[in-house]
Amino acid sequence: EDQVTQSPEALRLQEGESSSLNCSYTVSGLRGLFWYRQDPGKGPEFLFTLYSAGEEKEKERLKATLTKKESFLHITAPKPEDSATYLCAVLRPSGGSYIPTFGRGTSLIVHP
Amino acid sequence: NAGVTQTPKFQVLKTGQSMTLQCAQDMNHEYMSWYRQDPGMGLRLIHYSVGAGITDQGEVPNGYNVSRSTTEDFPLRLLSAAPSQTSVYFCASSYSRPGPRKDSPLHFGNGTRLTVT
Repeated sequence: EDQVTQSPEALRLQEGESSSLNCSYTVSGLRGLFWYRQDPGKGPEFLFTLYSAGEEKEKERLKATLTKKESFLHITAPKPEDSATYLCAVLRPSGGSYIPTFGRGTSLIVHP
Repeated sequence: NAGVTQTPKFQVLKTGQSMTLQCAQDMNHEYMSWYRQDPGMGLRLIHYSVGAGITDQGEVPNGYNVSRSTTEDFPLRLLSAAPSQTSVYFCASSYSRPGPRKDSPLHFGNGTRLTVT
């Protein structure tokens, strides 16, 4: 059973066309939700951490928001350099530790 | 600042061969971990370590061994490679172990692409 589900799997936008990526989770008692960006052939790069429903974080054209069931990554007026796969992860308790559990990602392509 | 360094970048093995994937970090991070990434699947945790001399299993540990003799290094050993271990392997580290309200994100290396024939 997937605990982190990202949608859509793939998204194509025109430059300047704003949109949102979704990350829904089923982990009870969220302890933290993370967004990463991954470029082809590279490791994921950290973007944001969110802890509480209602929390928001911004960085350039990206804004991450969190509710009790899901998180959104809003991309405002995207540019071709925003093309990447965006990964969502939640902290899941496991035997006294917490493990970051990742979704499958959303592949974003921004056309000039 | 090198961050997390993984070697080799590419490797081809035959079924039954063994090898070690290297991971080193120069950030004095306490926590280190290994993930595998397969098409259509999320990153899956193989093993992790919360400090030198301490390791634990993740979600998919079978067929892999780890050790943590120093803070900097966390090698991943494939004991007898199988085609199912064909994947991209990522090492990741963070200042402290993941936990509630610990602002300690993972820093990833650029991966090792492994093919087992």
